Amino acid sequence: DTGVSQNPRHKITKRGQNVTFRCDPISEHNRLYWYRQTLGQGPEFLTYFQNEAQLEKSRLLSDRFSAERPKGSFSTLEIQRTEQGDSAMYLCASSLFDIQYFGAGTRLSVL
Amino acid sequence: ILNVEQSPQSLHVQEGDSTNFTCSFPSSNFYALHWYRWETAKSPEALFVMTLNGDEKKKGRISATLNTKEGYSYLYIKGSQPEDSATYLCAFIYGQNFVFGPGTRLSVLP
Repeated sequence: DTGVSQNPRHKITKRGQNVTFRCDPISEHNRLYWYRQTLGQGPEFLTYFQNEAQLEKSRLLSDRFSAERPKGSFSTLEIQRTEQGDSAMYLCASSLFDIQYFGAGTRLSVL
Repeated sequence: ILNVEQSPQSLHVQEGDSTNFTCSFPSSNFYALHWYRWETAKSPEALFVMTLNGDEKKKGRISATLNTKEGYSYLYIKGSQPEDSATYLCAFIYGQNFVFGPGTRLSVLP
């Protein structure tokens, strides 16, 4: 058990709907990362927080995607107007120094 | 765009065989390289953090080497066991950015 919790584990939605995922990092970790992983690929970086500040966003993160970490603890990733291409595993990781500790991911299926 | 490659894409070995796979990364602006193991239905788990050219790390039957000048790292598994079956990911780190390779999927047959 890495201590990083993601909810839900699975989400099935219809195209055009909005979805929100939650990540609870290890409590003392100040850094939090979101990744997207599709079949046959490694995790692709989406965005990164240090405490509550969102310091970096990938160009993969279109304007339909938004992430927050309001109190520097848990984070949410919202996808608006989902598209079939958004179907993927969404991974969250947290770290204090170099090593990232991952959650088990949220698998999104857009029908 | 940084490119991190891993080979082979997948590998099937018999229990007891030793195996190795490769991670290739840009040799400039190197900060660190991480290896992760990702078992099905579980979270990716960090194996090694490698920072210096010539680094060699070992954890039980698994070891890794690093060559930053030529931009590659090898992961070795000695005497593979079925529980070693997983996807092995490497991640090239520059600044706060992690660029993952596509992984090597290892299946160890009993």
